[in-house]
Amino acid sequence: ETGVTQTPRHLVMGMTNKKSLKCEQHLGHNAMYWYKQSAKKPLELMFVYNFKEQTENNSVPSRFSPECPNSSHLFLHLHTLQPEDSALYLCASSQESGTGYNEQFFGPGTRLTVL
Amino acid sequence: GQNIDQPTEMTATEGAIVQINCTYQTSGFNGLFWYQQHAGEAPTFLSYNVLDGLEEKGRFSSFLSRSKGYSYLLLKELQMKDSASYLCAVLDSNYQLIWGAGTKLIIKP
Repeated sequence: ETGVTQTPRHLVMGMTNKKSLKCEQHLGHNAMYWYKQSAKKPLELMFVYNFKEQTENNSVPSRFSPECPNSSHLFLHLHTLQPEDSALYLCASSQESGTGYNEQFFGPGTRLTVL
Repeated sequence: GQNIDQPTEMTATEGAIVQINCTYQTSGFNGLFWYQQHAGEAPTFLSYNVLDGLEEKGRFSSFLSRSKGYSYLLLKELQMKDSASYLCAVLDSNYQLIWGAGTKLIIKP
């Protein structure tokens, strides 16, 4: 595997379900990000991890819970979601966060539908 | 607040040239990125500008004017595969990326 991978690619869940999104990067980067992408809206930064430490939480509801066990893996745990949470969830990685040039490499995303 | 503006949608003809504009108002500036995103796929890096002027990379060029808070992406010799969304993003004073909503480019034969 190369680059940034995400699983699953598609997920349909009910509001009472619990599910997790997984992201893995094979680029040797130290920063990982979760974004939410809704139609015709800017990418919304949700969480940032730099060297496994969470450095950003942009007022994300507690029904979204991130986990970063190491610099290569990032999870987003989902529970009691709302229909308005339906969106494309993108994972990205970069060399570091918060300093200098910051080209981010994206995974293909998980298309989430909440019924 | 911080704001990135770009047109929602543009249409162009195969073989032609198109310019996608981006204006920004951010707290500080540490560079501007353009990304391409095909439907259902990951955004991929196109260009980075931190100094004023034009950066050319094959059929794609990107221009920056920091004094005007303005950038454009110029695509020449358009091909059908260039149909995609083009995302403008600015690295602010905290080195966080502020994203525009993207411009959907439709190429017609």
